Amino acid sequence: ELKVEQNPLFLSMQEGKNYTIYCNYSTTSDRLYWYRQDPGKSLESLFVLLSNGAVKQEGRLMASLDTKARLSTLHITAAVHDLSATYFCAVAPYSGAGSYQLTFGKGTKLSVIP
Amino acid sequence: DAGITQSPRHKVTETGTPVTLRCHQTENHRYMYWYRQDPGHGLRLIHYSYGVKDTDKGEVSDGYSVSRSKTEDFLLTLESATSSQTSVYFCAISESWVDNEQFFGPGTRLTVL
Repeated sequence: ELKVEQNPLFLSMQEGKNYTIYCNYSTTSDRLYWYRQDPGKSLESLFVLLSNGAVKQEGRLMASLDTKARLSTLHITAAVHDLSATYFCAVAPYSGAGSYQLTFGKGTKLSVIP
Repeated sequence: DAGITQSPRHKVTETGTPVTLRCHQTENHRYMYWYRQDPGHGLRLIHYSYGVKDTDKGEVSDGYSVSRSKTEDFLLTLESATSSQTSVYFCAISESWVDNEQFFGPGTRLTVL
């Protein structure tokens, strides 16, 4: 059974600080996804990482993937209040019929405090 | 935003009644998915479709069935709702298996009393 673990599950940080969210997974997968969810809202796609060593950046967020270590990180630089949300990683090993089923971590709830 | 709508957006029903949730897309994407989201569990896949009339089970498919008779519509049916099916249900779509980036609908909050 594929397991996806995020650490930490809750994160309270001050504005201007840096921090990293970790996503570990238990089986081989060369693709990983990061999503953001605001309270009561849907999920927004942030990053799609499709190969070992992939790195993507958007604003204050940077995601990376190490398939050998089965680890992805989401790094937050100089946090601002608008980044407060829950962040999910999801792993997608091939499941047949041309489809990749996403298995999600439980999410990291980030609160950025002024 | 991807053109995905879900209906109804909120529903309260009683144990034992049938319930159908609808996902409608205007993007002509091949793949469609149904997830449920519960506190402490993240999102879990219920069923997915890889084409018209082509569906398969996900991680938590017991008690659910799906149908897809048109590219744009994917229906999720709870044949006899139970309180354990109280949840928020999300539909997602993706265009290509190459990157399988999934885009999510607004969600349906279902309460089974």
